Amino acid sequence: NAGVTQTPKFQVLKTGQSMTLQCAQDMNHEYMSWYRQDPGMGLRLIHYSVGAGITDQGEVPNGYNVSRSTTEDFPLRLLSAAPSQTSVYFCASSYSSDRGHTEAFFGQGTRLTVV
Amino acid sequence: SQQGEEDPQALSIQEGENATMNCSYKTSINNLQWYRQNSGRGLVHLILIRSNEREKHSGRLRVTLDTSKKSSSLLITASRAADTASYFCATDAGGGSEKLVFGKGTKLTVNP
Repeated sequence: NAGVTQTPKFQVLKTGQSMTLQCAQDMNHEYMSWYRQDPGMGLRLIHYSVGAGITDQGEVPNGYNVSRSTTEDFPLRLLSAAPSQTSVYFCASSYSSDRGHTEAFFGQGTRLTVV
Repeated sequence: SQQGEEDPQALSIQEGENATMNCSYKTSINNLQWYRQNSGRGLVHLILIRSNEREKHSGRLRVTLDTSKKSSSLLITASRAADTASYFCATDAGGGSEKLVFGKGTKLTVNP
C-alpha cells in the first residue's frame, strides 16, 4: 500500500516554463487536494477535488490548473511559472462525507524553485 | 484566509516538560484534526476530534475542543527531543464547504 505518491521531489524551472506535478493515491479516497507551504504561512489550499470530474478552487488558485479524470490521480499544472510560485507543494487525500474529513494522508512534497 | 490559527507560533521547552499549543478557527466545523510535520517532510495525522466531543486522548497527546469559543488545544505530556516538529490544526471550513484547511502551525523545539 503506497499511500500518496508525489513526483517529482525536486524541480527547478525557468520563469515562463510550464510543468505538471503528479499525485496518485491508492486508498480509493474521494477527496484530494494540493497545498503550498511557504515559510511562516503554513499550508495554503490551492485546489481540491471531491471526486472524479469535480474540482474547485482553494485559497490561492491563480496560476495553477487541476483535473481529476480518475479517482487515483490529481495532477497540478503550473501554466507559466513565476518566481512567486517557488514553494514546497503537498498533495493530500482523505475520505470526506457529511460528517467531515477523516485522516488526511500526505505525499512527501515537491520542492519547486522558479528562477 | 486560513481557517485555523495556531498559538504560539514557536515554543521551546525542556525534555520532560509539557507542551501546550492552541488553535482558533472562524466558522462552524464537523471535525478538528492535529498534524505533525518533521522538518522537510510531509504531514502526519495525530488525532481527530469531532464537534460533539470535548476531549480526546492518544498516548501522550490530549486534545480539547471548545466549539463555543471556536478553539482547540493540543497538550503533549512528558515531551521528548523526538517531539521537536511543527504542529498544525486542520478543520473542515464549515458552512457546507468541503475544504480541509490548515493553520500556520506551531514550531515546537524540545531541548534535551
